[in-house]
Amino acid sequence: DTGVSQDPRHKITKRGQNVTFRCDPISEHNRLYWYRQTLGQGPEFLTYFQNEAQLEKSRLLSDRFSAERPKGSFSTLEIQRTEQGDSAMYLCASSLAGTVRGELFFGEGSRLTVL
Amino acid sequence: AQSVTQLDSHVSVSEGTPVLLRCNYSSSYSPSLFWYVQHPNKGLQLLLKYTSAATLVKGINGFEAEFKKSETSFHLTKPSAHMSDAAEYFCVVSEGDTGRRALTFGSGTRLQVQP
Repeated sequence: DTGVSQDPRHKITKRGQNVTFRCDPISEHNRLYWYRQTLGQGPEFLTYFQNEAQLEKSRLLSDRFSAERPKGSFSTLEIQRTEQGDSAMYLCASSLAGTVRGELFFGEGSRLTVL
Repeated sequence: AQSVTQLDSHVSVSEGTPVLLRCNYSSSYSPSLFWYVQHPNKGLQLLLKYTSAATLVKGINGFEAEFKKSETSFHLTKPSAHMSDAAEYFCVVSEGDTGRRALTFGSGTRLQVQP
């Protein structure tokens, strides 16, 4: 399968621990997005990369959150000193520059539970 | 600023009957509009998109939506529901000329299909 893959699919951690999620986009896609989805809500934008450049960050992305895409391929999202409010599904999506904006390909998500 | 309101959090229909999922949007610019579907434990999938061409848009699996600027609506319809249509549906608005973060998701409508 050559779709967007995310790892791990599920993560349970204790409050105060650090967690890292990885996203591998579709190989030829140069745009990569992170979204967060809580129960009963639609996904909320967190951050966006074009190649390795992080071009935009939501105010939802507090100082405890950091995202990287070092070689313009896979991306990582790290949450430091996790809080119970960080419990959510973290979604990664990718797209190709020049295609219709909004036509994103999503992974299945990484579900975080903070105890 | 852009926003999306999905008017029903839950819709229940019988198999073989029509489906109507309602969406109203607000946008400062000429928006692009999308419907995404999310099946349990699956990634979000694009159903259809409106990008200022034909106002009646056809998507996958027999779904279609009509862009009505005067009503600021983009309702999703299907003539005959199938059991496999049971899922969460998100109306999405995008504005701006770049591939940036511009997607804003509605809160979702859960479609239940009764046998």
